[in-house]
Amino acid sequence: RKEVEQDPGPFNVPEGATVAFNCTYSNSASQSFFWYRQDCRKEPKLLMSVYSSGNEDGRFTAQLNRASQYISLLIRDSKLSDSATYLCVTTRGATNKLIFGTGTLLAVQP
Amino acid sequence: EPEVTQTPSHQVTQMGQEVILRCVPISNHLYFYWYRQILGQKVEFLVSFYNNEISEKSEIFDDQFSVERPDGSNFTLKIRSTKLEDSAMYFCASTGQGYGYTFGSGTRLTVV
Repeated sequence: RKEVEQDPGPFNVPEGATVAFNCTYSNSASQSFFWYRQDCRKEPKLLMSVYSSGNEDGRFTAQLNRASQYISLLIRDSKLSDSATYLCVTTRGATNKLIFGTGTLLAVQP
Repeated sequence: EPEVTQTPSHQVTQMGQEVILRCVPISNHLYFYWYRQILGQKVEFLVSFYNNEISEKSEIFDDQFSVERPDGSNFTLKIRSTKLEDSAMYFCASTGQGYGYTFGSGTRLTVV
């Protein structure tokens, strides 16, 4: 079983739509949680950290449910520039290594 | 904004050859990492490095791989005898106390 699981998509949505991504993690020792964004053949870039209390950054809202080991990302008012792969990421261990999901591909259509 | 710099951006090598991938982490960061991403697959942890030694390595990081911080600025990943399945994007990253991860732009390694 993969340690971090995501629906690979693709999610094809029109501009202005609201889209939600879900992620589950299997290791209860996971410590921190993030959403990263990755453009084609580029490095992952941090989108936002995820907390149990939920957090919002502009059009992006992230939520963590530790009891069900579930992480979500909501993007409101999608823009063409939001088209990318969204990576669900946890950390584990003393070295704080990152454990990546396979990513969910989002394509925002004009 | 400080950057993690990786060179070369693309390396083509013949199977069995040695390659060295180079990284210059952010100067006040203390923890250094290598990750790899095979085309179409997820990003995978290879190794972490702290205080001039390996602090953790994955199953992928076998005897063919080694890391070194030869001076105060460079951090290198060496693959001793490349295989076709080593073809991937290799990302270097660094973090510091209270700082999040910063990734380099990656080296695309193609083994032919």
